[in-house]
Amino acid sequence: AQSVTQLGSHVSVSEGALVLLRCNYSSSVPPYLFWYVQYPNQGLQLLLKYTSAATLVKGINGFEAEFKKSETSFHLTKPSAHMSDAAEYFCAVSGTNAGKSTFGDGTTLTVKP
Amino acid sequence: GAVVSQHPSRVICKSGTSVKIECRSLDFQATTMFWYRQFPKQSLMLMATSNEGSKATYEQGVEKDKFLINHASLTLSTLTVTSAHPEDSSFYICSASRSVGEQFFGPGTRLTVL
Repeated sequence: AQSVTQLGSHVSVSEGALVLLRCNYSSSVPPYLFWYVQYPNQGLQLLLKYTSAATLVKGINGFEAEFKKSETSFHLTKPSAHMSDAAEYFCAVSGTNAGKSTFGDGTTLTVKP
Repeated sequence: GAVVSQHPSRVICKSGTSVKIECRSLDFQATTMFWYRQFPKQSLMLMATSNEGSKATYEQGVEKDKFLINHASLTLSTLTVTSAHPEDSSFYICSASRSVGEQFFGPGTRLTVL
């Protein structure tokens, strides 16, 4: 069984500030972890994924996430927020790299000028 | 590469009619496709997993006779919402995966049932 908890349904940051979106997971097997971004009325775009290689994963648009097994966490960060980062972000866990995923409830990121 | 399309992007239909949504992997062969449903301001809920040439596997609570899924080829899966009702109004998203690699998501289909 797998589950994902995203702490904070809404996060607001100022432009240029650090972005931190939290994700904790549970999985009965070694997990594959993903972060996706969704803009209004669009599908999901993969930001980055963890597949048991390096624990610090770099993704697109300056985002990165660190897999911490001891904390069962996979938090998403970006050093400096842009206005274009405002969107919905989903963390997801899968038992395989191409298997079905379980999604968190999502975090809405607002970026203030 | 790895583009997934959905058609139509938006559909409005009358209650009682059936609606078909297509999901296509444009530049790769998808051994598995997934169908999700997303309510406003909520997360994606997996409805079913479909493998080419075999019956779809539905998640608990999803009516397979209402949400018909056909995965006729390695590049096409269809979801048919039969006898649609207003409560079926939602955003439906498909994804496709290769044997190795992440899921690639389609842009979604907004269904509104009047």
